[in-house]
Amino acid sequence: EIVLTQSPGTLSLSPGERATLSCRASQSVRSDYLAWYQQKPGRAPRLLIYGASNRATAIPDRFSGSGSGTDFTLTISRLEPEDFAMYYCQQYGDSPRGFTFGPGTKVDIK
Amino acid sequence: QVQLVQSGAEVKKPGASVKVSCKASGYSFTSYDINWVRQATGQGLEWMGWMNPDSGNTGYEQKFQGRVTMTRNTSISAAYMELSSLTSEDSAVYYCARGRGAGRLPRGSDYWGQGTLVTVS
Repeated sequence: EIVLTQSPGTLSLSPGERATLSCRASQSVRSDYLAWYQQKPGRAPRLLIYGASNRATAIPDRFSGSGSGTDFTLTISRLEPEDFAMYYCQQYGDSPRGFTFGPGTKVDIK
Repeated sequence: QVQLVQSGAEVKKPGASVKVSCKASGYSFTSYDINWVRQATGQGLEWMGWMNPDSGNTGYEQKFQGRVTMTRNTSISAAYMELSSLTSEDSAVYYCARGRGAGRLPRGSDYWGQGTLVTVS
């Protein structure tokens, strides 16, 4: 099973700043099948990025994903007030063994 | 528009089973996998498994093997997740989410249900 590690655990930033979130896999993620989700309290997760670098429908271009193999990054170029939330990465290439999630990074207001 | 609407909250006793439903609309139900994910209070997301509504094929996270069953009723575009032998550790919000489309490259889970709170007490 592929284990995902996210860092940092918490990122404290101000609106307008740049956020860089890391997701590292214990082994190479097949075909870069790596997604990023945003989740706000009491809400279902929202898909931001799939295939490591493709924005999902209606996702603003301040969100971007990069990386391959075992190291992936989600960048939010300029934080808007609505971007303060939890962010999870997920690999979905390790079928049939599992589509594991990382533990999450909380982006909160400094 | 694509919607996944889940059944309401459940309270179960230890040792019982729970069955959560997920009704799809706005797309061809049999053309996309359904994933199930759960989240205990204050914890992260935990993937449980997937089901192909067309074939009925399933794949379960090893942790849940023998305890989870994912099924569907294509006539009403509904997916179901049943979890048995419940313990307090199973108290969580359970989500269904739309997964891979038939003949398409995987894109993660693009639409999610609103979640179903299951409390085991």
